[in-house]
Order: sequence, then C-alpha cells, then structure tokens
Amino acid sequence: AQKVTQAQTEISVVEKEDVTLDCVYETRDTTYYLFWYKQPPSGELVFLIRRNSFDEQNEISGRYSWNFQKSTSSFNFTITASQVVDSAVYFCALRGSNNAGNMLTFGGGTRLMVKP
Amino acid sequence: KAGVTQTPRYLIKTRGQQVTLSCSPISGHRSVSWYQQTPGQGLQFLFEYFSETQRNKGNFPGRFSGRQFSNSRSEMNVSTLELGDSALYLCASSLAPERSYNSPLHFGNGTRLTVT
Repeated sequence: AQKVTQAQTEISVVEKEDVTLDCVYETRDTTYYLFWYKQPPSGELVFLIRRNSFDEQNEISGRYSWNFQKSTSSFNFTITASQVVDSAVYFCALRGSNNAGNMLTFGGGTRLMVKP
Repeated sequence: KAGVTQTPRYLIKTRGQQVTLSCSPISGHRSVSWYQQTPGQGLQFLFEYFSETQRNKGNFPGRFSGRQFSNSRSEMNVSTLELGDSALYLCASSLAPERSYNSPLHFGNGTRLTVT
C-alpha cells in the first residue's frame, strides 16, 4: 500500500519569509512519481512540480524549489520569498508504476497562510 | 486551450436520490479520473477511465459508478445518496496512460455536492 504523510496541517508566515512544506511517502514500487499540487479557495488543484524516483536532482523553478531524498523517502517543497497569493492548501501526491494508471495517493494537505 | 470543465459547480440533493456529474477533459486528453475530497478523508481516488473502459477503481461502494464516452467526456453517478457523500468531486484528465506516468493530472474546479 502507498501512503503520503504531510505532518504540517497548517503553517502561517509573514510575507517574504521562506517556507518549507514537508512530505514523507511510503511505497514498495521501485519506480514512482511524486507531485505537488496547490489548491486555492476556488477548489481547482493546480499542478506545481513533479519528480521521478530515478532522478534525485533537486531543482529550482522561480520561487519554488524541491528537495527529493530517496534515502529518507521525503519530497519537501520550498517557497522562497512567500507572497499573499501563495496562501492555499498544498498537497503532496504519489503515483506508483505497477498498473497504477492515474491513481494518485494524496497526503492530507498543508494549509499555508501568508500574512501581509 | 480550455481546461477541464466540470458541471454543475454546485448541487444540493436529498438522501436517497441519485446524482450525475459531468466532466469534459482537456482537448487531446484521453484519460479521465475522478476523486472525492472530504474534510475527514481528504482526497481519495474513485476511478479512472481510458478509451471508454474503467482501468482502476478506488475503494468505494458500488453506488459510485462512472462511464466515459467516445469523445473522452466522462460522467460519474452516485445512487441512493447518503449524508456522507457530501463532498467536492474533482475530475482530472491526462494524456493516454502509456504517456502519462511522468505527466501531471490536470484538475477541474470540481462539483460541490451537498446531501441533506
């Protein structure tokens, strides 16, 4: 069985602070795919970033960066210089490769509040 | 390019009734998945369709069903509604499965169903 844990249920920061959202996952698949999604109040899940299990290179994309560590089964996401518009619920998700199709396992989400 | 379109946005039904939700995927996307989001259970996978065939199904009772049409549009149906079926139902589309493992799901705004 697959499992995704986001231990932080709610984070509050002041604008321009950096914030890191934690994600820990469990899977028996040797190949898998990890994603971060953002859910603003409108309800739509917006894709942010993805990483394959066989590529541990960490990258930066604008104000977003992620730290994938296979040894600790973690896939953390950092927003640099946070803005009020970043306020949303963020979900980490895992997709296995064994006939999983588009079945994603989501974490419980982290509500981020960025105050001006 | 138009995004994933779900109709209706809001729905209020009473216990025992049935409901049908509709989803139009992004043009060119042939795989459609459905997810249920509730405060208690979070985001849970319902089912996935590709080429009018159900490929995967989550752990939901038989009251939850779906189908996909030849134009890739999809519908999901919930019969004999229960109070616990109140949720945000999200539809997502992606490329054909053999190309989709590394590609993200694109979600619609969802249909918020309230059962009274």
